[in-house]
Amino acid sequence: EPEVTQTPSHQVTQMGQEVILRCVPISNHLYFYWYRQILGQKVEFLVSFYNNEISEKSEIFDDQFSVERPDGSNFTLKIRSTKLEDSAMYFCASRLFGVVNTEAFFGQGTRLTVV
Amino acid sequence: AQSVTQLGSHVSVSEGALVLLRCNYSSSVPPYLFWYVQYPNQGLQLLLKYTTGATLVKGINGFEAEFKKSETSFHLTKPSAHMSDAAEYFCAVSSNTGNQFYFGTGTSLTVIP
Repeated sequence: EPEVTQTPSHQVTQMGQEVILRCVPISNHLYFYWYRQILGQKVEFLVSFYNNEISEKSEIFDDQFSVERPDGSNFTLKIRSTKLEDSAMYFCASRLFGVVNTEAFFGQGTRLTVV
Repeated sequence: AQSVTQLGSHVSVSEGALVLLRCNYSSSVPPYLFWYVQYPNQGLQLLLKYTTGATLVKGINGFEAEFKKSETSFHLTKPSAHMSDAAEYFCAVSSNTGNQFYFGTGTSLTVIP
């Protein structure tokens, strides 16, 4: 069964460092998402991406964040200068385009710890 | 704008008892509603979804949910809880443009032997 894969599963980084979280969406999906979940809190929307551009982003997704689909298969989230409050589980998701009522398929997540 | 409210951040049931997890939504357009489950240290897995048609939808692992427009609710139920049902459950609504999902704060289900 096709699945969304994320690497690494756990990343520890020092405050101020740049991190790149990687995702391989399901191959025929065209809508991609990043969500984050701070420990014990709700799943929060960060950004959606379609046709090689951001289609929607939340207030959380400030200038420190960027997304990219560099090679047609990977979908990355970059945090330029990490802060302690960026520590969270980051989930990538993908979805078929054109059918609004389809579900998003989520990866297993990357746990980011900023120290 | 769309939003989801899950009443009860923690629910405990005895093994074999009825599971009821509550979800109310707010939407200015017909919503598309979803329940996801998150097992410890895992990602989000779709349990079931409501799009159009039959308001009672059945999902995996014996779960079902009923869309009640008059009550703006989409509560999740299972007749008999199993130990393996212990997890975090998230209700979500899809935006009218289909761009994003809005998640509730989640309900942690504990099953007592």
